[in-house]
Amino acid sequence: GAGVSQSPSNKVTEKGKDVELRCDPISGHTALYWYRQSLGQGLEFLIYFQGNSAPDKSGLPSDRFSAERTGGSVSTLTIQRTQQEDSAVYLCASSLLGLSYEQYFGPGTRLTVT
Amino acid sequence: AQSVTQLDSQVPVFEEAPVELRCNYSSSVSVYLFWYVQYPNQGLQLLLKYLSGSTLVESINGFEAEFNKSQTSFHLRKPSVHISDTAEYFCAVIPRVFSGGYNKLIFGAGTRLAVHP
Repeated sequence: GAGVSQSPSNKVTEKGKDVELRCDPISGHTALYWYRQSLGQGLEFLIYFQGNSAPDKSGLPSDRFSAERTGGSVSTLTIQRTQQEDSAVYLCASSLLGLSYEQYFGPGTRLTVT
Repeated sequence: AQSVTQLDSQVPVFEEAPVELRCNYSSSVSVYLFWYVQYPNQGLQLLLKYLSGSTLVESINGFEAEFNKSQTSFHLRKPSVHISDTAEYFCAVIPRVFSGGYNKLIFGAGTRLAVHP
């Protein structure tokens, strides 16, 4: 079946602009995660959605970052007033609630802030 | 809190040689352990995991890892590598605490394995 998809695959934006990154999880997966992969910080957790529960936003680096998940499926990560330090690959993952603990990752969106 | 240390940022090796990628973790609670692999220009893929039972786990492409509780380690090994194993390898943990299924991965910094002919 189809895996996790993310769009766009690459995004170049000017400092100060807002950007939206999209994630389509695997159909039927109840949990959705956003991670960030950058040279200086490695792989960092950003935010997590599970069903109708309130999202865990504990990994968001600042209030310029926000995310929503509509209808329990597609998620959008929004970065307002982008800064150069936001340049990174943003990875989305989804999983089934259960005991396998396996997360399935999308190919990522490479964000470059100039 | 949990943390994961991958002791080698880069490991160069010749084809058909054995390799070990080291991973140590620190945690106040028990953890589940994972190795993910990222091939060039691709997303992360689960390579293998330890949840419970036998401390030696194997992947379908010849990698194995052994959970050592006393040393808090989960080193990844392969007896004979191929060019196609060139990739970045990430060790990760999930704390074994009840959280309604919540399972945030905590990653190490990664080890870049470069296999040379």
